[in-house]
Amino acid sequence: NAGVTQTPKFRVLKTGQSMTLLCAQDMNHEYMYWYRQDPGMGLRLIHYSVGEGTTAKGEVPDGYNVSRLKKQNFLLGLESAAPSQTSVYFCASRSGTSGVAKNIQYFGAGTRLSVL
Amino acid sequence: RKEVEQDPGPFNVPEGATVAFNCTYSNSASQSFFWYRQDCRKEPKLLMSVYSSGNEDGRFTAQLNRASQYISLLIRDSKLSDSATYLCVVNEGYSTLTFGKGTMLLVSP
Repeated sequence: NAGVTQTPKFRVLKTGQSMTLLCAQDMNHEYMYWYRQDPGMGLRLIHYSVGEGTTAKGEVPDGYNVSRLKKQNFLLGLESAAPSQTSVYFCASRSGTSGVAKNIQYFGAGTRLSVL
Repeated sequence: RKEVEQDPGPFNVPEGATVAFNCTYSNSASQSFFWYRQDCRKEPKLLMSVYSSGNEDGRFTAQLNRASQYISLLIRDSKLSDSATYLCVVNEGYSTLTFGKGTMLLVSP
């Protein structure tokens, strides 16, 4: 079972460059999330989606955009990368529908991004 | 802003020891609770859900105290492989979960 897959795993950008991080889940989950994790800061929510075609801002959305055109995919875009966006990015999904497991989030392996 | 607070640690314990972590949450309307484990440079993974009556999974016991708004995790007979960061996670009934910053556990031989 693939679960939640993130691509790429590593990336180095120069300031001002753009890129897109892809998250794909094969569990038919409704909810998907993008987090960043920095030392001492814990996980911070960037954007999330409660279903295909919907997106919402999280705690730290500035400098990022997202799209959920297909239920299984959630894309995170950086239009003009800045050194402050150097971080580890995690995607997660959860069912959100019914049952005991509806609130359990499953995470991808992460993307390590450095912006020089 | 709703908060989930944890002692960052690190908690340094020898193999075989019993160790306990607490987590406090600020929203009394919170509905569900979890402990996640995160190994160094890896993604968080669910360790266990926390039920109102308390629950046990092998060497791990989780307890919920709604009156005092805290959750605890007890690890008995610690193993070297238990070394990790333990994240307290709370669902307040919204679309998102609130994560604590984690408690680091280091188990030494």
